[in-house]
Amino acid sequence: GQQLNQSPQSMFIQEGEDVSMNCTSSSIFNTWLWYKQDPGEGPVLLIALYKAGELTSNGRLTAQFGITRKDSFLNISASIPSDVGIYFCAGQLTGTASKLTFGTGTRLQVTL
Amino acid sequence: KAGVTQTPRYLIKTRGQQVTLSCSPISGHRSVSWYQQTPGQGLQFLFEYFSETQRNKGNFPGRFSGRQFSNSRSEMNVSTLELGDSALYLCASSSNWDSLVGYTFGSGTRLTVV
Repeated sequence: GQQLNQSPQSMFIQEGEDVSMNCTSSSIFNTWLWYKQDPGEGPVLLIALYKAGELTSNGRLTAQFGITRKDSFLNISASIPSDVGIYFCAGQLTGTASKLTFGTGTRLQVTL
Repeated sequence: KAGVTQTPRYLIKTRGQQVTLSCSPISGHRSVSWYQQTPGQGLQFLFEYFSETQRNKGNFPGRFSGRQFSNSRSEMNVSTLELGDSALYLCASSSNWDSLVGYTFGSGTRLTVV
C-alpha cells in the first residue's frame, strides 16, 4: 500500500536537544496529522494541520503543512525522556478511498 | 468521556481459522475506521463504516470484512487466517465520515496467527 516517506527512520538524541522530522509525498494531501505511538498502544494525535502553509504549535511541538501540500515537518524542542516513542505523520489524500495514509514512522530515543 | 475501546486486546489463532474483533467508538461518534499495523507494511487502512454502511475500503482481500451496528459499534472479521495476518489491528472513530476532527484511535487488538 501507499505510504508517506518519513525521515529519519530513527534517532538517538540527548535530553534537552531539539528534534526535527519530516514527511514527503509525491501526491497532494488536504490534511496532515502527526501522531505518537507508545509500545502496545494506539497512535495519539499530537497536531493536526488543515491548510497549506499552516504552522501550529502544541507545547514543545511545532508542525507545518508544506506550501506544496506534499510535505510536512514536526519539531520537538527541549526533548525529555517521555518523548520516547514512534512518531507518525499521516495525511488524507484528495480523491482516494483511504481515510488516512501513514508515514513509515520515526523512532525517537532520548538519553539522559 | 470514554475513549475508543477495542476487544480483545490479545488473540492467538491458528491458520485457517476465522476471527472477529470489536470496536466501540467514542460516545457520539458515528464513523469507525479500521487499520492493520505490521512491521513490514506499517499502518494500512482497511475500511470505514458510517451509519452501518461501508463508506471507504482499502486494498485488502475479501477475507477482511466488517460491519457496523445501529449503536455505532463495529466488528471486523478475518476469515481463513494466514500467518501474514498477524498484526496490531487498530480502529479509530470520528463524529462524521467526512471529518478528521476528534479522530481517535483505540489501543488495538494484537492478533497472532500460528
